[in-house]
Amino acid sequence: GQQVMQIPQYQHVQEGEDFTTYCNSSTTLSNIQWYKQRPGGHPVFLIQLVKSGEVKKQKRLTFQFGEAKKNSSLHITATQTTDVGTYFCADRNAGNNRKLIWGLGTSLAVNP
Amino acid sequence: DAGITQSPRHKVTETGTPVTLRCHQTENHRYMYWYRQDPGHGLRLIHYSYGVKDTDKGEVSDGYSVSRSKTEDFLLTLESATSSQTSVYFCAISELEVGTEAFFGQGTRLTVV
Repeated sequence: GQQVMQIPQYQHVQEGEDFTTYCNSSTTLSNIQWYKQRPGGHPVFLIQLVKSGEVKKQKRLTFQFGEAKKNSSLHITATQTTDVGTYFCADRNAGNNRKLIWGLGTSLAVNP
Repeated sequence: DAGITQSPRHKVTETGTPVTLRCHQTENHRYMYWYRQDPGHGLRLIHYSYGVKDTDKGEVSDGYSVSRSKTEDFLLTLESATSSQTSVYFCAISELEVGTEAFFGQGTRLTVV
């Protein structure tokens, strides 16, 4: 069935280092959404990608959608302690537009 | 933040007792969702609603029921709580079907002892 796989599961970086999390699928992705959840908090929407090859930036965050729409990535340049949290990707359920298929998330820890 | 409120925020209950969690929104969004979040499992959909009295099951619906009698309220009921239902429960809303962002409530931490 439709699955969204995120790697890595955990990432520990020094403040100032870059960070990338990947969202992969064996089937074609359609509407990729990225969310961030701070420790103890709730998921917060970051961005949505819908077009093949699409690249969007939000300050130090760069989001990409693969040309073949089989993967997406979130890259953070020069991480800060405020970037700590879990980053989730989610795709529209191909069989039911009302539901999202979620990745398991990448937990980012940043050493000051 | 979107107007979405979950209650209670924390609850401890005994095995076998019924529990109802409430999600209230002031955004007039059509879609409402209940998720549970457990370590290693990410967010799993329990039930969702696409309108008043219109609900459907998610991937982990066993042991849970929902009701939506008003646009603004979506209730999640554990008919007879079990320890496996100890979790953090999130309600989410979205204006349209998938393709627009989902707004999440603050979460309810439920412990079944």
